[in-house]
Amino acid sequence: AQTVTQSQPEMSVQEAETVTLSCTYDTSESNYYLFWYKQPPSRQMILVIRQEAYKQQNATENRFSVNFQKAAKSFSLKISDSQLGDTAMYFCAFTGSGTYKYIFGTGTRLKVLA
Amino acid sequence: ETGVTQSPTHLIKTRGQQVTLRCSSQSGHNTVSWYQQALGQGPQFIFQYYREEENGRGNFPPRFSGLQFPNYSSELNVNALELDDSALYLCASSLALVEGRNEQFFGPGTRLTVL
Repeated sequence: AQTVTQSQPEMSVQEAETVTLSCTYDTSESNYYLFWYKQPPSRQMILVIRQEAYKQQNATENRFSVNFQKAAKSFSLKISDSQLGDTAMYFCAFTGSGTYKYIFGTGTRLKVLA
Repeated sequence: ETGVTQSPTHLIKTRGQQVTLRCSSQSGHNTVSWYQQALGQGPQFIFQYYREEENGRGNFPPRFSGLQFPNYSSELNVNALELDDSALYLCASSLALVEGRNEQFFGPGTRLTVL
C-alpha cells in the first residue's frame, strides 16, 4: 500500500529564516507525482510545489524548493525567507501516474513568528 | 477563470439524517474528486468522477455516494449520518488523463457537523 508520512506535527520559525518540512512516502511505482499543499486557516488547499518522479532536478517555486531523494523516498520542503503569511498546515501528497487519487500525509502545522 | 466552489459552507445535521454537498469544478476541468478531512488529519480520498462515471473509490461505505452532471459539477450524498462523519469535505477538480497534469485544484470545503 502507498503511504505518506509527515513526522513533524508542529514547527515554528522566525520571520525571514529558513525552515524545512519533512515527508517520506512508500510506493512500488516507478513513476509518480509528489506535491506540497498549504492549507491556511481559511481552509482552502493551495498547491505550493509539485515534483515529477522521473525528473532528477528538484523543483523550485520562488521561496519554496524541494529536496527529492527518490532512492530514499524522501520529499522535503524548504521555505526560505519565511513570511507571516506562510503560517498554515502543510500537507505532503502522492499520486501515481495515471491514477485517480491523492494520498495525503497527516500534515505539519507551521507557525511563522514575528 | 472561475475556481472550484462548494456549497454550503457549513452544515449541521443529526445522526441518521441524509446530506447533500455540492461542488462546481474549475472551468475546463472534467474530473471531480471528493475528500474527507477529519479534524487534525490529512484528507482521505472518497471517490472520483470522470465524465459522469465513478472512476475510483476509497475505503468508504456505500452510504457515501455521488453524482457528476454534464457540466462537470458534482454532488456528494451521505445517508444515515454517523457522528464520525463530522469533518471538512473537500472537492477537487482536475483535467484528467493528460500525462503530467495530475494537479488537482481544491475548493474551500464544507464543514459538516453531525450531532
